[in-house]
Amino acid sequence: GQNIDQPTEMTATEGAIVQINCTYQTSGFNGLFWYQQHAGEAPTFLSYNVLDGLEEKGRFSSFLSRSKGYSYLLLKELQMKDSASYLCAAINDYKLSFGAGTTVTVRA
Amino acid sequence: ETGVTQTPRHLVMGMTNKKSLKCEQHLGHNAMYWYKQSAKKPLELMFVYNFKEQTENNSVPSRFSPECPNSSHLFLHLHTLQPEDSALYLCASSQEGSNSGNTIYFGEGSWLTVV
Repeated sequence: GQNIDQPTEMTATEGAIVQINCTYQTSGFNGLFWYQQHAGEAPTFLSYNVLDGLEEKGRFSSFLSRSKGYSYLLLKELQMKDSASYLCAAINDYKLSFGAGTTVTVRA
Repeated sequence: ETGVTQTPRHLVMGMTNKKSLKCEQHLGHNAMYWYKQSAKKPLELMFVYNFKEQTENNSVPSRFSPECPNSSHLFLHLHTLQPEDSALYLCASSQEGSNSGNTIYFGEGSWLTVV
């Protein structure tokens, strides 16, 4: 499989900002997804980046640098309901591979 | 509600049992997938079906047998499983192949415990 690296866990305070980084192989790259998964629930789509730059959707933004093989998901004004696992997934050589996920815990 | 429904949500089976997981998508998609999710590990793609035809089998042991009777339904037949097969099995669908950037939509998953 492809090497997709993201931190295992992150903790932040309610109202704060958290940035989840993801690195992937650049060869044959054709797009990157971010998914959110609450415990015991289905992963749900957050964003898809294929071009360099920042995509903003409300409190969540996703950034991509194709040349560096790097993406991040930025969560702003954190709320308790944002506590979840965040999955990075990259398309390389027409195969979609997932990272192990980053568990974000939001504390009051 | 994601439009992808999986049953059962929880299954406990012995190593000699035969059981099946069922998935149905109501999104009009043409591609369906089975993924395995184990704790602290990346989602593992098991099988892909496009327009009812299997297009990918990621070296999955034969004790897992998929079936896709039509574009809306996908089954995973289980036989003589091992305890290490205990995991969350996720079904997903997309308009066409996810490798073209089409978003995949996941079901809630079936928690499988092999005893």
